[in-house]
Amino acid sequence: AQSVTQLDSHVSVSEGTPVLLRCNYSSSYSPSLFWYVQHPNKGLQLLLKYTSAATLVKGINGFEAEFKKSETSFHLTKPSAHMSDAAEYFCVMGYQKVTFGTGTKLQVIP
Amino acid sequence: GAVVSQHPSWVICKSGTSVKIECRSLDFQATTMFWYRQFPKQSLMLMATSNEGSKATYEQGVEKDKFLINHASLTLSTLTVTSAHPEDSSFYICSSWDESYGYTFGSGTRLTVV
Repeated sequence: AQSVTQLDSHVSVSEGTPVLLRCNYSSSYSPSLFWYVQHPNKGLQLLLKYTSAATLVKGINGFEAEFKKSETSFHLTKPSAHMSDAAEYFCVMGYQKVTFGTGTKLQVIP
Repeated sequence: GAVVSQHPSWVICKSGTSVKIECRSLDFQATTMFWYRQFPKQSLMLMATSNEGSKATYEQGVEKDKFLINHASLTLSTLTVTSAHPEDSSFYICSSWDESYGYTFGSGTRLTVV
């Protein structure tokens, strides 16, 4: 069975410090993996996606994620947090049927 | 890139009435459309999957007679909440699937039933 686990429901960082949002997956096949961001009462915006081309994926707004098959992980990182990064982040897996992680709320402290 | 336009962005309706939510794919054809429901501070819950020209596939526990899904064309899918009740109040989001673009989400609809 497919599953996506976001290890932290809530992450708090100071502005200007690095961001790490963790995601582990379980799949019987080589998955497509995505990170989406959701601001309050808004839809989901794609940050980046992994589709087996390169293991280090660069996305929008300075975010990147590295696919590590040996660790079944796809953690999202950013070198320096901005206030505008405060939002809910979802790790998503799937090809034609999507599996969502439970989300990680990122708080950025001024 | 692909864009899915979802309308309305918010709607308030009276109990017992029906509400239709539309999702249109712009500049591409969405063979498959997914409909999700999101409860406050929770992740998205897949309600159903619709394919153009065929009946939608509903997830377990989702009332197909209450949440009517129509995907009559490659660019339009609709979700109708029939005889809405306050417990149907939620945030509804659609997404399309395309080989080239992957998943593209609509901006969501906040439904409040009073």
